[in-house]
Amino acid sequence: QVQVVQSGAEVREPGASVKVSCTTSGYTFTTYYMQWVRQAPGQGLEWMGTITPSGGATNYAHKFRGRVTMTRDTSTSTVYMELSSLRSDDTAVYYCARELRGDGHNYCAFDIWGQGTMVTVSS
Amino acid sequence: EVVLTQSPGTLSLSPGERATLSCRATQSASSYYLAWYQQKPGQAPRLLIYDTSSRATGIPDRFSGSGSGTDFTLTLSRLEPEDSAVYYCQYFGSSQYTFGQGTKLEIK
Repeated sequence: QVQVVQSGAEVREPGASVKVSCTTSGYTFTTYYMQWVRQAPGQGLEWMGTITPSGGATNYAHKFRGRVTMTRDTSTSTVYMELSSLRSDDTAVYYCARELRGDGHNYCAFDIWGQGTMVTVSS
Repeated sequence: EVVLTQSPGTLSLSPGERATLSCRATQSASSYYLAWYQQKPGQAPRLLIYDTSSRATGIPDRFSGSGSGTDFTLTLSRLEPEDSAVYYCQYFGSSQYTFGQGTKLEIK
């Protein structure tokens, strides 16, 4: 079955970086775009960016450009999200999610989500 | 950039009733790129509706989506206790995704 499993919780000091992984299985990794979404405690959902696993192309939300880097490893069917220059307001649950696709068409909706990775930024 | 505003902020209804959740965009949005999610506490979001009105796999027909232009609606008919959750709309435009701020649905 399709699975998306994320790495465990992280604690970082302000100014540091964090790298979260998202390992997929049960489908052809290079066929589906992957997304990153975060959610601060008690807040709504915030899209961070997209990575195309086949070629590694990325599209970042304007807010995170210059601070976020998304990469992938096709040998392990894993995507990564690295966020640098961390601040306290980066404390959030970070999700990866697969974009829905069918009949060779991308549907701009996220159908399979990881379990989330809690990142805490605190001195 | 399209901004999505959801209303009401909180909705409290009884089992068996109908819930109507609104999502309004600041500019006309393509119906192909409007989706709805359900999120329960401590869980990842769950895709309900994509392309404004297409139900995702496994979503019961009690959930329906509609709308066009700047006004979109998620309707839950015959509410059940497990429908208690926060519901988010999402749009893709100008190569960016945006989410509404969410509507909290409480089942009395």
